[in-house]
Amino acid sequence: QVQLQQSGAELVKPGTSVKLSCKASGYTFTSNHMNWIKQTTGQGLEWIGIINPGSGGTSYNVKFKGKATLTVDKSSSTAFMQLSSLTPEDSAVYYCARHGGPPSNWFAYWGQGTLVTVSS
Amino acid sequence: DIQMTQSPSSLPASLGDRVTITCRASQDIGNYLRWFQQKPGKSPRLMIYGATNLANGVPSRFSGSRSGSDYSLTINSLESEDMAIYYCLQHNEYPYTFGAGTKLELK
Repeated sequence: QVQLQQSGAELVKPGTSVKLSCKASGYTFTSNHMNWIKQTTGQGLEWIGIINPGSGGTSYNVKFKGKATLTVDKSSSTAFMQLSSLTPEDSAVYYCARHGGPPSNWFAYWGQGTLVTVSS
Repeated sequence: DIQMTQSPSSLPASLGDRVTITCRASQDIGNYLRWFQQKPGKSPRLMIYGATNLANGVPSRFSGSRSGSDYSLTINSLESEDMAIYYCLQHNEYPYTFGAGTKLELK
């Protein structure tokens, strides 16, 4: 069965970076794009960007360009998102969500989310 | 960016009620519209795809419809397990955008 297992909660200091992971299983990793989504209490859900694990090609929400960098490791079927120059406004739950295959499956599979807290 | 204006933001309802949540798209998105249900501490769950299609395992009391740029999620005969926050998502063009959410709660 399809599973997306995300890395654990992070408590990080302002100005630093953090790299989140999303390990995929139960399907062919390179055949389905991966989305990343941010959720905060105040801003709701925001789409950060998408990566094609097969080619490494990416598309970003302009709002997150320079903030988020999406990569993959095909050997471990893992997608990564690095967040840089962290501020308290980056405190949120971050999700990965699969995109691809038949339309009924787009955004049908989500990771459990990773809570990032930015605090000194 | 395409704006998804979702209403209402809060919806008090009673068990057995029929409720409707709406998202209005600021530009044409075709049928690239999905509805999600989210419960506290959980990831969003896909409910409707292609504006009108029921996702796998979703009860038939849920339905989606479209009228022009207005997309609606209707729940017939509300059950207690339906109390959650509902979001719409357009994925017609980048950046994908979500509605602000509707909190469905017991009256």
